[in-house]
Amino acid sequence: DIQMTQSPSSLSASVGDTVTITCRASQSISRYLNWYQQKPGKAPKLLIYGSYSLQSGVPSRFSGSESGTDFTLTISSLQPEDFATYYCQQTYSTVWTFGRGTKVEIK
Amino acid sequence: EVQLVESGGGLVQPGGSLRLSCAASGFTFSSYWMSWVRQAPGKGLEWVANIKEDGSQKYYVDSVKGRFTISRDNAKNSLYLQMNSLRAEDTAVYYCARAGMAARGYWYFDLWGRGTLVTVSS
Repeated sequence: DIQMTQSPSSLSASVGDTVTITCRASQSISRYLNWYQQKPGKAPKLLIYGSYSLQSGVPSRFSGSESGTDFTLTISSLQPEDFATYYCQQTYSTVWTFGRGTKVEIK
Repeated sequence: EVQLVESGGGLVQPGGSLRLSCAASGFTFSSYWMSWVRQAPGKGLEWVANIKEDGSQKYYVDSVKGRFTISRDNAKNSLYLQMNSLRAEDTAVYYCARAGMAARGYWYFDLWGRGTLVTVSS
């Protein structure tokens, strides 16, 4: 199965900061990479699909990029509602896998 | 309203069985692949299983193969997960999710239920 290594596992940031989260795939997954946001007690919410396509209704401060097997989620000008846990997910193979998550906390 | 509502969770002893259901509404259920995703307490997300629109293809994570069965009834707009031989490590919130597909075949989960908690304990 394809492994997704997500880093960091947690980070502290302030409102207005730019935050970067990375996911590395254990093999090539083309651009079959999604990003989700999850808040405590809630279901995940799709942010980005196909590595960099923004889901409808998601603020433009969220962006995605890819370089080979490395994928990045960038949150520009962090807002109070962005403090949450973020997960990457690959859907390249028939067995879909998530990264372990990155918790973004308030500094 | 477009939504997914899970039910059927609860407390079950190790080795026992449970059947989860997911009721879909507000969209054409039979046009979508559907999935189950779980999350153990305080842990990350784990994809469990997928099923094709007509039920003809199913995929599972290795840890549940041979124990869990995903199925659907398009006439009832419902998705199911039959869980047998349950283990403590199956304890989790189980989410029903709709798999959407963008151009070029990029799959993603664009609709989630609120989840149902399954606790496996004696």
